[in-house]
Amino acid sequence: SQQGEEDPQALSIQEGENATMNCSYKTSINNLQWYRQNSGRGLVHLILIRSNEREKHSGRLRVTLDTSKKSSSLLITASRAADTASYFCAYYSNDYKLSFGAGTTVTVRA
Amino acid sequence: NAGVTQTPKFQVLKTGQSMTLQCAQDMNHNSMYWYRQDPGMGLRLIYYSASEGTTDKGEVPNGYNVSRLNKREFSLRLESAAPSQTSVYFCASINRGADEKLFFGSGTQLSVL
Repeated sequence: SQQGEEDPQALSIQEGENATMNCSYKTSINNLQWYRQNSGRGLVHLILIRSNEREKHSGRLRVTLDTSKKSSSLLITASRAADTASYFCAYYSNDYKLSFGAGTTVTVRA
Repeated sequence: NAGVTQTPKFQVLKTGQSMTLQCAQDMNHNSMYWYRQDPGMGLRLIYYSASEGTTDKGEVPNGYNVSRLNKREFSLRLESAAPSQTSVYFCASINRGADEKLFFGSGTQLSVL
């Protein structure tokens, strides 16, 4: 079974609104990553946050990490129709074994 | 710059048939992975290869075998396909230790009837 949980499972927002999704994990990590998957395509890396970082920004993306709670959040600000996709968190449960959460499906309505 | 290339893109098998999914990367990455994704679910790790010459089981290895043929190529074999193996399969690669980004192929949609 997957080692992480993401919530919500699905999110529908209006264009211009912010979208927030959360990821919880069970192991100690060195870093946590977020990926995006457009329908039927392979995943694309968005952003990585290291265990000694609490917050990281990349364009309209903001990621937070709370290692004490074993949780991370991804915020997409000022959403656009092109942000419609599924978003997954991922982390290493050993040196090479990269596990993914179940994902959050985001729909941005025009 | 092709990145990660998977073949075939689509395949239909009958129960009991065998097939090999091919994956090749041209980024000189040391580690490669095979995942499966079922509808509405995240990715589950089948097998991975940390480096050329090594392979290890992931979360759902039963019914699959892998071969790390060389640094570039990592194949996934279904010896006797079952309907439960109907899924989308993704290959990915990474230069673990140098760059933490996983690069994905475009996927193979497999149906087992």
